[in-house]
Amino acid sequence: NAGVTQTPKFQVLKTGQSMTLQCAQDMNHEYMSWYRQDPGMGLRLIHYSVGAGITDQGEVPNGYNVSRSTTEDFPLRLLSAAPSQTSVYFCASSYTFTGSNYGYTFGSGTRLTVV
Amino acid sequence: KNEVEQSPQNLTAQEGEFITINCSYSVGISALHWLQQHPGGGIVSLFMLSSGKKKHGRLIATINIQEKHSSLHITASHPRDSAVYICAVRNYGGSQGNLIFGKGTKLSVKP
Repeated sequence: NAGVTQTPKFQVLKTGQSMTLQCAQDMNHEYMSWYRQDPGMGLRLIHYSVGAGITDQGEVPNGYNVSRSTTEDFPLRLLSAAPSQTSVYFCASSYTFTGSNYGYTFGSGTRLTVV
Repeated sequence: KNEVEQSPQNLTAQEGEFITINCSYSVGISALHWLQQHPGGGIVSLFMLSSGKKKHGRLIATINIQEKHSSLHITASHPRDSAVYICAVRNYGGSQGNLIFGKGTKLSVKP
């Protein structure tokens, strides 16, 4: 089925460990983005990409890295996990960055706990 | 002040009631999105608006660009409508294209 695939769905990390959250889409979407969702707050943008080879920081980029080597994949790397990174993470994609006529497709989310 | 404000934060309704969720924003936008997040967490796009009104089944979304306000209406509400409804705007300037999210409205529909 076409859509955005996120893995894993759940993850527990120890403080200081690193890991990669995977995000893949098969809709040839130009724009991909990562958000975190915390209780009492709206989704906040971590990093985004407007095409292969192009990434930029969002509102809360510290402690996270991204790369976009292909149109399909946009992994999010936690370099050295901290308890403050305990959150639910969503990947989303859209056909284009600047057009106003295209909706977003969200992945199913990754629930990350850092102990 | 948040750039996207939703009201109410929480809403409890009886099955069959007409429901309205409001969204106000303070930035220039190219589009406004209404999203639904069910318990268990997945986010689904309901509507994308840049003007006027859209309808899908029992859901209606309206936007007033001059007043910077949008409403999501649910007619004949049902327990399966219980979810968090999120308003998000696509910013017109700055980091153009990125969404700015409201904090969501948690709706509970009782049978």
